[in-house]
Amino acid sequence: GAGVSQSPRYKVAKRGQDVALRCDPISGHVSLFWYQQALGQGPEFLTYFQNEAQLDKSGLPSDRFFAERPEGSVSTLKIQRTQKEDSAVYLCASSFLLQSNEQFFGPGTRLTVL
Amino acid sequence: QKEVEQDPGPLSVPEGAIVSLNCTYSNSAFQYFMWYRQYSRKGPELLMYTYSSGNKEDGRFTAQVDKSSKYISLFIRDSQPSDSATYLCAMRGDNAGNMLTFGGGTRLMVKP
Repeated sequence: GAGVSQSPRYKVAKRGQDVALRCDPISGHVSLFWYQQALGQGPEFLTYFQNEAQLDKSGLPSDRFFAERPEGSVSTLKIQRTQKEDSAVYLCASSFLLQSNEQFFGPGTRLTVL
Repeated sequence: QKEVEQDPGPLSVPEGAIVSLNCTYSNSAFQYFMWYRQYSRKGPELLMYTYSSGNKEDGRFTAQVDKSSKYISLFIRDSQPSDSATYLCAMRGDNAGNMLTFGGGTRLMVKP
């Protein structure tokens, strides 16, 4: 595709439900990043992958958050037992090289937990 | 205190004005400095990046980095209504993988 795509664009979940957010990076991009953006705030780092390897998950807020990229392309961010404080926009970004300064962002998934 | 601080605005200017957007940071390990623009309900898009201290110009945009003061700026000349967006500064160190640390963003409104 021409850019990073994310699905769904909007997700409403009841507290306690599990959700899965998908990211399709730009074809051939080695690195993939997940960020969380609360309303009126800047994005905050969650985790990143180089190909299928998860190199840093230090930003994941709790063990309810889990990310995977099994074949080094599509990635899924899963949140178990969602809480109201998980409500945010989840942004995915990809870059061609690990040390590239240009990360291409998707439009995000807006998660609302009721 | 956050590692990167940015005035949230909103900043409202008339069309044609020169806009100055700024960030301060506390981590002296930051070496790469970026400015992203984010329109409502869209993902951030990279405008410019600079390495270490100095200036960089690209069309109507100029980025400045002063590492001694831990202060970075983005100037927009001849601002247009289409520049109305949230501007995010971001930065990373040499050895931090590629993880970016963002400021909170400044909302800019350029009025016709």
